Amino acid sequence: KAGVTQTPRYLIKTRGQQVTLSCSPISGHRSVSWYQQTPGQGLQFLFEYFSETQRNKGNFPGRFSGRQFSNSRSEMNVSTLELGDSALYLCASSLGTMGETQYFGPGTRLLVL
Amino acid sequence: AQSVSQHNHHVILSEAASLELGCNYSYGGTVNLFWYVQYPGQHLQLLLKYFSGDPLVKGIKGFEAEFIKSKFSFNLRKPSVQWSDTAEYFCAVRSSNTGKLIFGQGTTLQVKP
Repeated sequence: KAGVTQTPRYLIKTRGQQVTLSCSPISGHRSVSWYQQTPGQGLQFLFEYFSETQRNKGNFPGRFSGRQFSNSRSEMNVSTLELGDSALYLCASSLGTMGETQYFGPGTRLLVL
Repeated sequence: AQSVSQHNHHVILSEAASLELGCNYSYGGTVNLFWYVQYPGQHLQLLLKYFSGDPLVKGIKGFEAEFIKSKFSFNLRKPSVQWSDTAEYFCAVRSSNTGKLIFGQGTTLQVKP
C-alpha cells in the first residue's frame, strides 16, 4: 500500500500571500489530520477531518483552514501568511477517528519570507 | 487543557547503554498512548502504542513502554541502544473525550558509536 503523500514537498512564499497544501491518505483511510512542526513549538495539532467533516480543531487562528474531499484527500490553506508560519506541515491518516493509529506523510516544508 | 510532557530534551548515550525516556500526560479519562520516532530525514513512524490490556507494550526495534495509570506516565525503554537509534522521539496522547492527538515536545537521542 502506498503511504501518505503530500504535495508540494517544499514551498517558498512571501508575507501576505496564501498557500494551499495537499494530502492524499493511505487507501481506505477516511480520517486526515494536520499538524504544524516547528523547532520552538514542536508538533501542534491543526485539525482533523473525517468523511468530509471537520471533527477536531486545534488552537490556530482562522487563517488556517482545511477541507476534505469525497475521496478522503485533504487540503489545508493558510491565508495572509506570516513569517511565523514557516514550518513543516505534516499530514496523517487513519482508518477512523478515535484511537486509531495515525500514519504520517513526509510533510511540506513552508518557508515564508 | 490536555498536555504531554517529555522530561528529557536531549539525551546522549554510548552504544549498548540502556535508555529510558520519560513521558507524562495530564488527562484523567481514557487515553490511547503512542511513541513515534523521526529518524533524520525520514517520516514520523510509529514505535509502539497502548490502547488497553497489558500495560507493558512492545514495539519495533526492541523498544518497549510501560503505562502506569496512577502516575499518568508512559515511559519508553530499550535495554541496549544502537547508533541507528539516533533520532527524535515523540510521546503522544489521544484522549477518548476530545479525540485530539497531542504530542510532547520531543526528545533528541544521540547515540555515540
